[in-house]
Amino acid sequence: KQEVTQIPAALSVPEGENLVLNCSFTDSAIYNLQWFRQDPGKGLTSLLLIQSSQREQTSGRLNASLDKSSGRSTLYIAASQPGDSATYLCAVRRTSWGKLQFGAGTQVVVTP
Amino acid sequence: IAGITQAPTSQILAAGRRMTLRCTQDMRHNAMYWYRQDLGLGLRLIHYSNTAGTTGKGEVPDGYSVSRANTDDFPLTLASAVPSQTSVYFCASSEAAANSPLHFGNGTRLTVT
Repeated sequence: KQEVTQIPAALSVPEGENLVLNCSFTDSAIYNLQWFRQDPGKGLTSLLLIQSSQREQTSGRLNASLDKSSGRSTLYIAASQPGDSATYLCAVRRTSWGKLQFGAGTQVVVTP
Repeated sequence: IAGITQAPTSQILAAGRRMTLRCTQDMRHNAMYWYRQDLGLGLRLIHYSNTAGTTGKGEVPDGYSVSRANTDDFPLTLASAVPSQTSVYFCASSEAAANSPLHFGNGTRLTVT
């Protein structure tokens, strides 16, 4: 069974610093990987989706990389802002018909 | 604003009672999902529907049932609630393709006493 791990569970950074969030998965045979953001008391918002054939995906200050061979994805958030404070989750889909397997998330606090 | 509407926002329910959580989407997405989110366990899939008229079991389906009579609605029913079903329940949807992102509702916080 695919295991998805996100370490650390929480981190705090000062405003302006770049954020680096990690996601690891045990089975490298994946179909795609998604990064989500969750604000307290809210549902998840999709940030980026990376196909298995891609190495990275970018949207504004966000950049996600994918290294299937090592079972890792990294979400970079440049020049963090207090509004970036949230929990970030990654999820892996193993096949085109498979369902998403979620990590437990990393809770981020950006201090002014 | 297009999206997913879940109701109720929160509910306290006595054990043994029946409860239906409602989910409606206006994006005409074919696929819909129900997840529960628990501290330390993350998000787990309960049931899903790839298209109207079809449903499937997820990772933790026991004690729950769903129906998909049309594209927009995907209710989740707890036939006889138990305290272990205390959780936050999220409904989600996506276009049929596996490469499309999931859209989530804001969740229903359910407490079974």
